[in-house]
Amino acid sequence: DIQMTQSPSSLSASVGDRVTITCRASQSISRYLNWYQQKPGKAPKLLIYAASSLQSGVPSRFSGSGSGTDFTLTISSLQPEDFASYYCQQSYRTSRTFGRGTKVEIK
Amino acid sequence: QVQLVESGGGVVQPGRSLRLSCAASGFSFNSYAMHWVRQAPGKGLEWVTSISYDGSNKYYADSVKGRFTLSRDNSRNTLYLQMNSLRAEDTAVYYCAKDDGRGYGLDYWGQGTLVTVSS
Repeated sequence: DIQMTQSPSSLSASVGDRVTITCRASQSISRYLNWYQQKPGKAPKLLIYAASSLQSGVPSRFSGSGSGTDFTLTISSLQPEDFASYYCQQSYRTSRTFGRGTKVEIK
Repeated sequence: QVQLVESGGGVVQPGRSLRLSCAASGFSFNSYAMHWVRQAPGKGLEWVTSISYDGSNKYYADSVKGRFTLSRDNSRNTLYLQMNSLRAEDTAVYYCAKDDGRGYGLDYWGQGTLVTVSS
């Protein structure tokens, strides 16, 4: 199976901050990388697919980049509703592994 | 609008079985692959299994292979997850999710159903 390593596991930030989360795959996955946001008690929500494509309805402050093994999710100006957990997921293989998540907390 | 509604969760003893269902509406169910993803209490997301649009191909995580069986009834727009030989480590919220059809993400999710394996 492809292992997905996310960092950091948690971070504290303030409203308006620029936030960056990284995800590394154990082998090349081309651009088959997706990002999800999950709030407590809720189902995950797809934010970014194919490494950098914004899912319909997702604010433009979210962006993704990368290819191969290294990927980044960036929130350009953190908003109150963005405090949540974020997960990367590879869809290169049929066994669609997730990263362990990054919890974004209020500083 | 797309809706996915899971049911069938509950408390079950180790070694017993449970069947989860996911009723889909608002899209052409028979055109999309479907997935189950679970989340143990306080933990991250774990992909469990997926099935192709016509049910001809199924894939399982190593942690459930040989114990869980995924199926679908396209005439009823329903996905099923048969879980046998349940273990304490299977305790989790189980989410049904729709494949985006492009080979990338899971674009719609149900609200989840809690499975607790405990004696």
